[in-house]
Amino acid sequence: DSGVTQTPKHLITATGQRVTLRCSPRSGDLSVYWYQQSLDQGLQFLIQYYNGEERAKGNILERFSAQQFPDLHSELNLSSLELGDSALYFCASSGSGANTGELFFGEGSRLTVL
Amino acid sequence: DAKTTQPNSMESNEEEPVHLPCNHSTISGTDYIHWYRQLPSQGPEYVIHGLTSNVNNRMASLAIAEDRKSSTLILHRATLRDAAVYYCILRDPYTGGGNKLTFGTGTQLKVEL
Repeated sequence: DSGVTQTPKHLITATGQRVTLRCSPRSGDLSVYWYQQSLDQGLQFLIQYYNGEERAKGNILERFSAQQFPDLHSELNLSSLELGDSALYFCASSGSGANTGELFFGEGSRLTVL
Repeated sequence: DAKTTQPNSMESNEEEPVHLPCNHSTISGTDYIHWYRQLPSQGPEYVIHGLTSNVNNRMASLAIAEDRKSSTLILHRATLRDAAVYYCILRDPYTGGGNKLTFGTGTQLKVEL
């Protein structure tokens, strides 16, 4: 158990819809990262937040947005869903200490768009 | 981030050591070498990391070449539970862009009885 909690574990929805994925980081971790893993793209970095502020941005579509709340949990919002958005979405967290590079990943949210 | 090259797949027998290679010829002086693994249907899991010296922990050992252009993750006694995709990742903590890791395609390790 990494200490990172993601909900929901599975989600099935239709094209054009909007969903929200939630992530609770490990206790005390200030950074939250979102990754997308699809069969043909591997693990793709989407975005990182640190203590409520956006820190780094990767290949995140404009239809997707994220935020980190004062209690440090994070949400990833996916809108106008397309078939190609079907993927595993992972959240990870890391501490505020030295840059050890160790990220702790949750078990992921599997999104299926029909 | 500098790139790494890993074999697509490797096979091992249970209870035998496994040496997973990684080439990173364009590594910079401040790049750390990280290894993660991803078991089926799970999120990636940290294995080990190092800068210049060889490193050991309860999961594995990391052997880093003297010129740092390659490294090897060593699993001393493979078990069926070690079957996973192993990712070798370079990360420079002193550049901008937060603490993110850029994953490649990794090496699929198969462990047989």
